[in-house]
Amino acid sequence: EIVLTQSPATLSLSPGERATLSCRTSQSVSSNLAWYQQKPGQAPRLLIYDASSRATGIPARFSGSGSGTDFTLTISSLEPEDFAVYYCQQRSNWPPFTFGPGTKVDIK
Amino acid sequence: QVQLVQSGAEVKKPGASVKVSCKASGYSFTNSLISWVRQAPGQGLEWMGWINPYSGNTNYEQKFQDRVTMTTDTSTSTSYMELRSLRSDDTAMYYCARDGYNNGWYSDYWGQGTLITVSS
Repeated sequence: EIVLTQSPATLSLSPGERATLSCRTSQSVSSNLAWYQQKPGQAPRLLIYDASSRATGIPARFSGSGSGTDFTLTISSLEPEDFAVYYCQQRSNWPPFTFGPGTKVDIK
Repeated sequence: QVQLVQSGAEVKKPGASVKVSCKASGYSFTNSLISWVRQAPGQGLEWMGWINPYSGNTNYEQKFQDRVTMTTDTSTSTSYMELRSLRSDDTAMYYCARDGYNNGWYSDYWGQGTLITVSS
């Protein structure tokens, strides 16, 4: 099973600041990685797929990069609605498609 | 528009079974996959397995292998997830998600979630 680690666990920032979230996988997943945003009481929402492609309707301030075992989600300038928990998930060739433990982005 | 509507919350006793439904609309049901993901209170996301509505083929996370069954009814575009021998640590929000293909299968639309509470 591929294990995902995310850092930091919590990121405290102010609106307008840049957020950089990290996801590392225990073995290479090529570019088969997704990022999801989850707000309290809501279902997760797909932000990024295939490591760097934005999902439908996702603002350009969200960007993903990386391949192999190291991945980054960047939010270029935080909007008030971006404060949430972010999960990465590997979607390599074979299940199980494990999630990372999440990074909480909260208001400083 | 793509929608996944799940059945309502349930309370079950330990040892019982639960069956959650997920009705899809707005896309061709047999052209995508359905994943099931759960989230215990205050915890992260846990992938449980997926099903191909076209073929009926399934793949389950090993820890659920003996207790879960995922099925679909293509006549109603509905997917079901049954979990047996419930324990208190199965208390969680259960989500279905459509997996669409974009250079890989990704969960691009999600149901609203179904809260399953296991308590004596």
